[in-house]
Amino acid sequence: DQQVKQNSPSLSVQEGRISILNCDYTNSMFDYFLWYKKYPAEGPTFLISISSIKDKNEDGRFTVFLNKSAKHLSLHIVPSQPGDSAVYFCAAVQGAQKLVFGQGTRLTINP
Amino acid sequence: DAGVIQSPRHEVTEMGQEVTLRCKPISGHDYLFWYRQTMMRGLELLIYFNNNVPIDDSGMPEDRFSAKMPNASFSTLKIQPSEPRDSAVYFCASTQGAGGQGNEQFFGPGTRLTVL
Repeated sequence: DQQVKQNSPSLSVQEGRISILNCDYTNSMFDYFLWYKKYPAEGPTFLISISSIKDKNEDGRFTVFLNKSAKHLSLHIVPSQPGDSAVYFCAAVQGAQKLVFGQGTRLTINP
Repeated sequence: DAGVIQSPRHEVTEMGQEVTLRCKPISGHDYLFWYRQTMMRGLELLIYFNNNVPIDDSGMPEDRFSAKMPNASFSTLKIQPSEPRDSAVYFCASTQGAGGQGNEQFFGPGTRLTVL
């Protein structure tokens, strides 16, 4: 049973437009969430995080929104650039440092 | 710092053989994690260590899998005997746990394992 779910395996967006990646979770005890980005043949790298005491966190072109009542978070990338093409993983923190990851969404930015 | 180092980068073996994956974490990090990535399940945590002690191995699929961390700069993940369904990319990651929750984990490049 997946506690963190990314229901869209892939997403295609035109360069310059907004990319929205979604993530749902089932465990209401989760109180900290992270997004990681992964390029082929490399390990994932940290992108942005959010605590459950907030509903939004912004870092440049990247914004994460958290809706606790819906157990849903989303990552917005605007404007999307070709270098954003990668697999994006949503993760929830369980305990101190343990991460529970979703299946990932492959984002393709088309020129 | 060179980052998290994993070896080998690729491993092809035959069913029934023993496979050993190696990891050197970033110096000073006190947490080490082993993950497996598959198409179906994404990134799964197999086991993690804190100060060289295994804390949670609930993700280890079965007794064929074992992991050790003999010192702060080295860890191994062993599969014996290997099976075709073990084919996946295995990642090692490390982080420094002090002062926070969900601290950024730094991942190695992964080992792509193929069991024929």
